Amino acid sequence: NAGVTQTPKFRILKIGQSMTLQCAQDMNHNYMYWYRQDPGMGLKLIYYSVGAGITDKGEVPNGYNVSRSTTEDFPLRLELAAPSQTSVYFCASRKGVSDTQYFGPGTRLTVL
Amino acid sequence: RKEVEQDPGPFNVPEGATVAFNCTYSNSASQSFFWYRQDCRKEPKLLMSVYSSGNEDGRFTAQLNRASQYISLLIRDSKLSDSATYLCVVLREGSSNTGKLIFGQGTTLQVKP
Repeated sequence: NAGVTQTPKFRILKIGQSMTLQCAQDMNHNYMYWYRQDPGMGLKLIYYSVGAGITDKGEVPNGYNVSRSTTEDFPLRLELAAPSQTSVYFCASRKGVSDTQYFGPGTRLTVL
Repeated sequence: RKEVEQDPGPFNVPEGATVAFNCTYSNSASQSFFWYRQDCRKEPKLLMSVYSSGNEDGRFTAQLNRASQYISLLIRDSKLSDSATYLCVVLREGSSNTGKLIFGQGTTLQVKP
C-alpha cells in the first residue's frame, strides 16, 4: 500500500489564482480529513468526509471546497488564493473512528 | 481558551535524561487521547494512545487524569532521535461518528549529545 499520497509537494501561487490539492489513499478508508498547519501552530481541520459523497466543514473552511466522489480521492480546492492561505496542508485518513489516523506527507503552499 | 493546551517549549535536554510533557484539555466529555510525534517538516505520526490506567511503550509512558483533564508523556533515557515535536491530541465529544481530532500546538524536544 502507498498509504496516503498528496500532490504537489510544493506550490507557489499568486494572489487570486486557484488550484486543487490532490489527496488519495489506497487503504479503503472511510474517513478522510484536510488540515492546515501554520508555523509553530497545531493542525486545524478544514473539511472532512465520513464516506464517498459526504463532506462537511471543519474549523476553518472559508476559502476552500472539497468533493468526495470516490472512496480513494479527496481533493481540496482553493479559489482566489490569499496570502493567509500560505501554510502546510495535510490530508489524513482512517478506516473507522477507533482506528489509527494516517497522514500524507503534506503540501507546502505559498501565496504571494 | 484553546481546547487542547501544551507548553510549546522548546525542552532542551541531554542524552539519557528523563523528560515529561503535559497537556490539558477543556472538554470534560472528551473521549479518547493520543500523543503524536511530528519531525521537522514531516507529517504527524501516532506515537501512542493514552488510557486511564496509564500505558507504557518501551521508554515512553503516557498517563491520563480525567478528574484534572490532564495528559502526560514521559520519555526515559532520551535519545538524539527523540528530537521532534510532540502533539497532544483529543477526540472531541460528539465525534463518535466523525472521528474529528483536536490537536494541541505541540511541544518541541531537542535532545543534545
